[in-house]
Formats: sequence, C-alpha cells, structure tokens
Amino acid sequence: GDSVTQMEGPVTLSEEAFLTINCTYTATGYPSLFWYVQYPGEGLQLLLKATKADDKGSNKGFEATYRKETTSFHLEKGSVQVSDSAVYFCALKNGGTSYGKLTFGQGTILTVHP
Amino acid sequence: NAGVMQNPRHLVRRRGQEARLRCSPMKGHSHVYWYRQLPEEGLKFMVYLQKENIIDESGMPKERFSAEFPKEGPSILRIQQVVRGDSAAYFCASSPPGAETYEQYFGPGTRLTVT
Repeated sequence: GDSVTQMEGPVTLSEEAFLTINCTYTATGYPSLFWYVQYPGEGLQLLLKATKADDKGSNKGFEATYRKETTSFHLEKGSVQVSDSAVYFCALKNGGTSYGKLTFGQGTILTVHP
Repeated sequence: NAGVMQNPRHLVRRRGQEARLRCSPMKGHSHVYWYRQLPEEGLKFMVYLQKENIIDESGMPKERFSAEFPKEGPSILRIQQVVRGDSAAYFCASSPPGAETYEQYFGPGTRLTVT
C-alpha cells in the first residue's frame, strides 16, 4: 500500500537558518503530494502541493519539488522564523480506488529559536 | 465562509462510556473524511463519507466505531465502550464534490481522553 516516510525529528534551528525536512514516498501510479502544517492546538493547514513530476509547490517562502526518480518531496525554506515553529506533515493522495484519502508521514516537529 | 467545525474540542470519557464527535463541513462541501492522530504519530485515515453514504471505511476499527453523515446535520463519529487506546485527536476534513481532485480542509480536531 501507499506510505510516506519523513526524516526523524524533532528539528531545532536558530532564526534565519536554512531548513530541510526530508520526505520520501511509496505509491502506485502518480500520486499528488502535499505538505501540511499544524500549529499547537490547531488543525492541519495545507502549506503547498504538487500534482505531477517536476512540479514545484511554494508558499510563504517554503518550497518542495516533486521528484519521481527519487520518490521524494523534500521541504525547504531559506530563512526560518520563530513563527514557523510547528509540526510539518508530508502526505500523498492517490487516485484510483483510494477515493482521494490522504496518507500522512509521521510528522516532524520544528522549533525555531530567536 | 466558516471553516470546518468540530465539537467538542476536548472530550473526557471513562472507560466503557460512549463518545460522539461531530463535524460540520464547510458550506457547499458534501464529502467528509475522518482521521485519527495517536500521540507522537501522523494522521491515519479512518472513513470517507458523502451525504447518507459511507464510501470507504477501510481505516475504521472493526468493532465499536461507526460513522454517519445524514442528509441534514453534521457528520458523527461514534465510539462505543471507549478504551484507553482510543485516546487521540480526531480530525475531520471536508471537500467539495470531486473529492479526488480537490483540497481537503481540516477542522481543529477533537481531543478525546479516556480515563
């Protein structure tokens, strides 16, 4: 079945540092890929997405490129802020018989210090 | 346009009691998904419903769990005879018709604690 693997966390950075959170996936067919962010006590918010190979999703300074050859969708940001502290989830959505349900990675806790 | 609403936000139940979690989708959304987030884990799909129909319940535990999305009113996730292992955050998401192609919008979740 489909699965998503994220890098082990938590990740602790100083403000303005470079961020990479690795994400790899296993899926049949051609899934869409997503990054969601969860702030403390809140639900998930879509951060960015990519629907086909080589697409780059971007939002709020975050970027991720859909790499079919390496089955990866790594999240990057050039300069993190304290307000970026949250839990980040990589996810995929497969068509066919999955009815659009999302398959999530285990999440990566990011803490940014001033 | 109000977002996805879930209530209650926090629910405490003793072992053996019933838990009812409610989800009101965004206006115009007819597809509802329920996910469970166990401590220190990612979200796991439970069930996908359209109005009056269960489309995919492959992630639902075989016993004690049920879900409905009636023609009128919110979607309900019901857990009978709760056990400590049911303690988790339960998230609802909704999307417009054409669920396979549209984004899912998540509610704030219900955090269930079983004592």
